[in-house]
Amino acid sequence: DAKTTQPNSMESNEEEPVHLPCNHSTISGTDYIHWYRQLPSQGPEYVIHGLTSNVNNRMASLAIAEDRKSSTLILHRATLRDAAVYYCILFAGAYGGSQGNLIFGKGTKLSVKP
Amino acid sequence: NAGVTQTPKFQVLKTGQSMTLQCAQDMNHEYMSWYRQDPGMGLRLIHYSVGAGITDQGEVPNGYNVSRSTTEDFPLRLLSAAPSQTSVYFCASSRGTSGVGAETQYFGPGTRLLVL
Repeated sequence: DAKTTQPNSMESNEEEPVHLPCNHSTISGTDYIHWYRQLPSQGPEYVIHGLTSNVNNRMASLAIAEDRKSSTLILHRATLRDAAVYYCILFAGAYGGSQGNLIFGKGTKLSVKP
Repeated sequence: NAGVTQTPKFQVLKTGQSMTLQCAQDMNHEYMSWYRQDPGMGLRLIHYSVGAGITDQGEVPNGYNVSRSTTEDFPLRLLSAAPSQTSVYFCASSRGTSGVGAETQYFGPGTRLLVL
């Protein structure tokens, strides 16, 4: 069962910021919040992850609610190349156990208009 | 580093044929896994391995076999292909440090399989 809830699709204009929401009301204390994206006809690629604090990297920013029950992936300036399916995933990393694998939902399909 | 590589990129099989999808990684990762992705769906875990000689089943293991004789390679075998196995298959790897939720996974480019 997917433990996260995301909108099915979102649209953005090129060079504008994009905020992709994710709800995870049943998150546990050991769950990290990961975001992956899948460009058309490619394998998923890692975007960003966080535990409690907001995180920034060269690709995106991750804003995590204080109660950790929701998070938002922020693309500061969307480009056409950012059009992809974005997956929000909770991951505890306990390999060999039920929490050791990435569980993918259907994600959010982001369309970017020129 | 080549990262995670998969061969072939595309394959057509007839029902009942067998084949092996190859996956290799050059990052000395302990953890490797196989996913399938059907149209409009997210990825579903087939089998995974936490190290050489150790494999376990994922969400949809039926019809597939795996083995892990080396750290680098994790082949997926279809014993008797069925049309329901038409899908895109992705292999992934990570360092596999248990209990570390900060681990990231690296995915291969995928193998597109069509079973007639």
